[in-house]
Amino acid sequence: KQEVTQIPAALSVPEGENLVLNCSFTDSAIYNLQWFRQDPGKGLTSLLLIQSSQREQTSGRLNASLDKSSGRSTLYIAASQPGDSATYLCAVSEMDSSYKLIFGSGTRLLVRP
Amino acid sequence: SQTIHQWPATLVQPVGSPLSLECTVEGTSNPNLYWYRQAAGRGLQLLFYSVGIGQISSEVPQNLSASRPQDRQFILSSKKLLLSDSGFYLCAWRVWDREFNEQFFGPGTRLTVL
Repeated sequence: KQEVTQIPAALSVPEGENLVLNCSFTDSAIYNLQWFRQDPGKGLTSLLLIQSSQREQTSGRLNASLDKSSGRSTLYIAASQPGDSATYLCAVSEMDSSYKLIFGSGTRLLVRP
Repeated sequence: SQTIHQWPATLVQPVGSPLSLECTVEGTSNPNLYWYRQAAGRGLQLLFYSVGIGQISSEVPQNLSASRPQDRQFILSSKKLLLSDSGFYLCAWRVWDREFNEQFFGPGTRLTVL
């Protein structure tokens, strides 16, 4: 059974710092991996999607890497801003007909001005 | 462009009352549709998914049911709500017409059962 773990559970950093969020999964047979952002009381915003054949994806100040063989992904946020404060969720897509997502419990990020 | 709608945004219901949450997707056809629940202090859990009209798969045994009466409409229901049904319910759809098969989420419905 696939399990997704995110470390740390919470993170507080001063504005401008570069930071790394970690995600690990137990079964490397995944279709893809997505990183999401969730603001309090809101839905999920897709940030980056990495196919299982890819190593990384970049969007603006965000860079996500994937090492499928070791079951790890990292989300790198450069030059963090207070507006980056949110919960970041990692999810892997199962390789079956449902393509359902298995989520980690998230990292709650606070960027202090 | 594609958009996904959920309503209501918030709902407070007494224990034992019925439930109907609706999700509709615009701008695409024949999407995979999903219902997830996010309970307080817990991660997101898949409840149901559908690959087509009338085709529903349940992931966990529970007090809820789902239906897909139209291609882009997904409904979550219950005949009698339990306290444990409280949570944040999110509908999602999976892109078919792109290379990367990304999932997108609606704004969610906050359900409180008292």
